[in-house]
Amino acid sequence: SQQGEEDPQALSIQEGENATMNCSYKTSINNLQWYRQNSGRGLVHLILIRSNEREKHSGRLRVTLDTSKKSSSLLITASRAADTASYFCATDVGGSNYKLTFGKGTLLTVNP
Amino acid sequence: DVKVTQSSRYLVKRTGEKVFLECVQDMDHENMFWYRQDPGLGLRLIYFSYDVKMKEKGDIPEGYSVSREKKERFSLILESASTNQTSMYLCASLRESGANVLTFGAGSRLTVL
Repeated sequence: SQQGEEDPQALSIQEGENATMNCSYKTSINNLQWYRQNSGRGLVHLILIRSNEREKHSGRLRVTLDTSKKSSSLLITASRAADTASYFCATDVGGSNYKLTFGKGTLLTVNP
Repeated sequence: DVKVTQSSRYLVKRTGEKVFLECVQDMDHENMFWYRQDPGLGLRLIYFSYDVKMKEKGDIPEGYSVSREKKERFSLILESASTNQTSMYLCASLRESGANVLTFGAGSRLTVL
């Protein structure tokens, strides 16, 4: 079952612009993570935000979490052509089985 | 610096063949996972293992089995491949303690003809 759903499905911007992707989920979570996937490759972890955190930064990435709305956003500032990739949110509901549930992803294209 | 290695990047098999997808991690992680990724469906969990010889079904285990004889190796087995198993297969691992952050392999793209 799909827990996280990213929005939009696809996003095309110019280099230097900011990109914002959203993720909504259905049940209470322990933490939420964002991953990046370059075309035809595996996923790479970007950032994790815990349920008791509201905002987190890592370099050009800014993640927010609103547990009352069950939603998160990923902001990439000053985008570069190399940021072109698919971005996935993954939710961790806790418990002992360490399962993450991924959304369908947002395809970001940054045009030079 | 590669941490999770999937032995085959591209495979082409025929319907009915037995297919082995191998995954090795060098980080001494207890937990390993197999996902498949399809356009419009995202990542779906097939099986995972939290210890040697232990396995649990994920969301879509039908048509698959797994083997974990050693801590570092987690194999996905398609007993009789079918065309609807054409997909990208992703292996991942994570350490038991700390946050549940997955380390993925590069993926294995399987085509079943």
